[in-house]
Amino acid sequence: DAGITQSPRHKVTETGTPVTLRCHQTENHRYMYWYRQDPGHGLRLIHYSYGVKDTDKGEVSDGYSVSRSKTEDFLLTLESATSSQTSVYFCAITTGDGYTFGSGTRLTVV
Amino acid sequence: GQQVMQIPQYQHVQEGEDFTTYCNSSTTLSNIQWYKQRPGGHPVFLIQLVKSGEVKKQKRLTFQFGEAKKNSSLHITATQTTDVGTYFCAGLLSAGNKLTFGGGTRVLVKP
Repeated sequence: DAGITQSPRHKVTETGTPVTLRCHQTENHRYMYWYRQDPGHGLRLIHYSYGVKDTDKGEVSDGYSVSRSKTEDFLLTLESATSSQTSVYFCAITTGDGYTFGSGTRLTVV
Repeated sequence: GQQVMQIPQYQHVQEGEDFTTYCNSSTTLSNIQWYKQRPGGHPVFLIQLVKSGEVKKQKRLTFQFGEAKKNSSLHITATQTTDVGTYFCAGLLSAGNKLTFGGGTRVLVKP
């Protein structure tokens, strides 16, 4: 979909370790978003970017940081993973016709 | 902050029957979007509504945007097994570029 890929698709990590998730797009879209999805909560915005080095917080940004050094890559970092960050993480871009989501990263923190 | 609520959370439907899922926002929206997520998949954009009172149809799916632009509904007629999944509404405020998603309605179809 619209050239958006996420990596890794699955990851298991230990509490307290740093984790970085990558979102890559190939169509030069300005806006990129990171959401997490948990049962009963729908999709909640973590951080978003509106250009290279331009980012802002979403509703659940605590414990997460992001970076966008190139238009095509938007990285989400958990500095010190906690069990509450076990979730499915989706990256998205806006295409003028709604959002296009990546396939997701299933992260388990043990 | 902005809140978007969806009801019901779960919808068990007999194949061939109709159902409606509802979406309500605590604030007036610039537009509202609907997404479908199949089990194990990612959300896929269905439609966007912009105008007050707007109604749009996609085959058996009918989407409405309320007159006050604070609520929306999705009505599915003659439900099929291919309709299984979770349907999310998502609202966009006039002053922002961030979508706020409802909790979703998970649809289960009984053949």
